[in-house]
Amino acid sequence: EVQLVESGGGLVKPGGSLRLSCAASGFTFSDAWMKWVRQAPGKGLEWVGRIKSKSNGGTTDSAAPVKGRFTLSRDDSKDTLYLQMNSLKTEDTAVYYCAYYRDSTAIHYDYWGQGTLVTVSS
Amino acid sequence: QAVVTQEPSLTVSPGGTVTLTCGSSTGAVTSGHYPYWFQQKPGQAPRTLIYDTSDKHSWTPARFSGSLLGGKAALTLSGAQPEDEAEYYCLLSYSGVGVFGGGTTLTVL
Repeated sequence: EVQLVESGGGLVKPGGSLRLSCAASGFTFSDAWMKWVRQAPGKGLEWVGRIKSKSNGGTTDSAAPVKGRFTLSRDDSKDTLYLQMNSLKTEDTAVYYCAYYRDSTAIHYDYWGQGTLVTVSS
Repeated sequence: QAVVTQEPSLTVSPGGTVTLTCGSSTGAVTSGHYPYWFQQKPGQAPRTLIYDTSDKHSWTPARFSGSLLGGKAALTLSGAQPEDEAEYYCLLSYSGVGVFGGGTTLTVL
């Protein structure tokens, strides 16, 4: 059974940092393309970024509002995806979801974690 | 960053047909934007209905279909059911960077 479990959310002051983790199981994580999506309270979905599998270059892409502040990474030995968030702003307050959406052979999937809440407030 | 536009809200009668659209501020939406459509119900994570314009997952009900229509991506629901009442989001890719639309609240009434 595929499982994605996010952790690391919480309350942080503006300008602070936080690292989110997404522990994966039930599939070959090293072949997975993964993404982060966030949703501010009562608002719509916002794409944060994605990371390809290492066999596809392991490259990352990030949305304009977080570029230069957020970094996606992965540790295939630990089956874990990370989102390092620096210089946090109040507008980064949201539930953050990780998702497994395709693999290195372009087969598409649709598995989501339960989300972790990040609150940026003084 | 590009802006992706969707109808804020639509209403469809049970058994009826409705088309949701997804436009781009940069011009016509093409297959190269790899349009996705997501459904989200209150308190739940999103789930993908359509990817790469018109491809479906095994769980996508046959009544949903995706296409390109008049320079936009489109999601057509034929034979609406009460359980289709939800928020629908499209996602477009701009050279690997994704941008969601603002979402369409679909009411089945």
